[in-house]
Amino acid sequence: DTAVSQTPKYLVTQMGNDKSIKCEQNLGHDTMYWYKQDSKKFLKIMFSYNNKELIINETVPNRFSPKSPDKAHLNLHINSLELGDSAVYFCASSHPREGGSPLHFGNGTRLTVT
Amino acid sequence: SQQGEEDPQALSIQEGENATMNCSYKTSINNLQWYRQNSGRGLVHLILIRSNEREKHSGRLRVTLDTSKKSSSLLITASRAADTASYFCATDKGGSEKLVFGKGTKLTVNP
Repeated sequence: DTAVSQTPKYLVTQMGNDKSIKCEQNLGHDTMYWYKQDSKKFLKIMFSYNNKELIINETVPNRFSPKSPDKAHLNLHINSLELGDSAVYFCASSHPREGGSPLHFGNGTRLTVT
Repeated sequence: SQQGEEDPQALSIQEGENATMNCSYKTSINNLQWYRQNSGRGLVHLILIRSNEREKHSGRLRVTLDTSKKSSSLLITASRAADTASYFCATDKGGSEKLVFGKGTKLTVNP
């Protein structure tokens, strides 16, 4: 019954590894996002997709690559992980942004790079 | 760059008291939203106030918006221990612009 679900909840890995985080929403929303929350709780957008098309791509290293196989899924693949990638990554979804549709967030994936 | 700035950064009150959190922003907005984040969880949308609105209520929540001062406040009345969480404001310029979050206010309600 979870509206926005992301897996895994925790991810511990070593520097240099490649990892993926998956996200799925069953709300019928057209737009999905990835946000990164650092240790000081600052939440910053990374990517936004609308109907499988990339619409927002913030200044994020090329090691981060989102993939949207369909409008209900938005996965995040990270290559060559670095210590600074440690953070909580949140997936979110909304209706089209026009009109100020609120975001619905998943419960986050805590990534720890050692 | 960051748009919203909440203050205080942390607030500790007793159950039953009111909690007020403020948010200031820099550029014109279409609407402003408040979210709550419980520890270890995702953000939950609380309330949205449009740029042409001055005040909005939802249960024990009251949000005000002053576009001339570029500021908003969130008031939680008769607080409960369950209100303990971090509260974030987020500004929306409209269209396909991204929603930009502040750093949040950590609220602790002591029973």
